[in-house]
Amino acid sequence: GAGVSQTPSNKVTEKGKYVELRCDPISGHTALYWYRQSLGQGPEFLIYFQGTGAADDSGLPNDRFFAVRPEGSVSTLKIQRTERGDSAVYLCASSLSLAETQYFGPGTRLLVL
Amino acid sequence: AQSVTQLGSHVSVSEGALVLLRCNYSSSVPPYLFWYVQYPNQGLQLLLKYTSAATLVKGINGFEAEFKKSETSFHLTKPSAHMSDAAEYFCAVSDKGTGGYQKVTFGTGTKLQVIP
Repeated sequence: GAGVSQTPSNKVTEKGKYVELRCDPISGHTALYWYRQSLGQGPEFLIYFQGTGAADDSGLPNDRFFAVRPEGSVSTLKIQRTERGDSAVYLCASSLSLAETQYFGPGTRLLVL
Repeated sequence: AQSVTQLGSHVSVSEGALVLLRCNYSSSVPPYLFWYVQYPNQGLQLLLKYTSAATLVKGINGFEAEFKKSETSFHLTKPSAHMSDAAEYFCAVSDKGTGGYQKVTFGTGTKLQVIP
């Protein structure tokens, strides 16, 4: 079956611009997670959704970052006033339910010039 | 807070040789532990996970890991390396995040090079 998909695969933007990154979870998975992987580092947790609500957004670095999941399926990570330090690979994962294995998408590579 | 330490950011082995990737964890409660593999330009793929059942966990592609509480370790091994094993490997630990989900904390990764 189809895995987690993320679009775009690559995004280049200029400092100060707004970007949206999309995640399509595995069908039927109720839990969705966003991670950020900087060069040479492991993924770092950003936010977790159970259904439509953000159950834990403690990993979001600041208020420029926001994520939504309005219908409990597709999620969008939004970054306002991008900074060069936001450059990273943004990974999305989904799981069937709480405490189940997380399945990862291929990521979106964001480069802020 | 949970954390993991992966010893060695780069490991090189000859094809057919033993693969040993080291991971030590820090946890105040019995953890869930994972090994993920990441091939270039691909997402993370779960190799295996420990969830407090058997201490020796077998995963995909011939990998296995042993949970040793006394050493707080969860090292990944494979008896004979294949060229296709060249990738980056991440050890991870989880605890209960808000609402009871698995809040996964990853190590910094170990890049495995397999020499023909």
